[in-house]
Amino acid sequence: DARVTQTPRHKVTEMGQEVTMRCQPILGHNTVFWYRQTMMQGLELLAYFRNRAPLDDSGMPKDRFSAEMPDATLATLKIQPSEPRDSAVYFCASGPPGDTQYFGPGTRLTVL
Amino acid sequence: GENVEQHPSTLSVQEGDSAVIKCTYSDSASNYFPWYKQELGKGPQLIIDIRSNVGEKKDQRIAVTLNKTAKHFSLHITETQPEDSAVYFCAASEANAGNMLTFGGGTRLMVKP
Repeated sequence: DARVTQTPRHKVTEMGQEVTMRCQPILGHNTVFWYRQTMMQGLELLAYFRNRAPLDDSGMPKDRFSAEMPDATLATLKIQPSEPRDSAVYFCASGPPGDTQYFGPGTRLTVL
Repeated sequence: GENVEQHPSTLSVQEGDSAVIKCTYSDSASNYFPWYKQELGKGPQLIIDIRSNVGEKKDQRIAVTLNKTAKHFSLHITETQPEDSAVYFCAASEANAGNMLTFGGGTRLMVKP
């Protein structure tokens, strides 16, 4: 049963520290998405990759957030420096050529 | 761009009753409509989807209907059980948007035993 995996599952850090979240998409999927979920904002799209190329990162604060896909098996989302308002659950999703997305279990980030 | 609205935001039903969640979309070019179920502490899980060439799709106790003329689609859960309690999200995608989805705001379903 193929699944999207995300690490770490939980992260507590102090304001100003760098945070790196990792995602392993399902093998064969060519699209990868990063979302942020908060109670107030619901699911917000942060970044979107197709065939490892970034297609849309308009939802991402550019000054502190960056998203990359170093290879087809790894996507990363970095926050530097982190701020308390970044506290949220971050989801990665991947999809095959077509219209379906499969979500990972998420990384719960708390910035103190 | 696409806009998806979802109602109600919360829904409480008695175990065994049916639950209906409705979504409307704005872009007539959208042709793929998935539904996700999110349990506490987990990621959204795809439970059923429908494409615009189909009006209804069923999978055991869940069904989705699509009205392209009115631009709305609905999730129907029959014989609800406590384990159906979760947040449900609808979404819409346009054919030329690759896998991009626009999500509704979510419905918190509570099934009371």
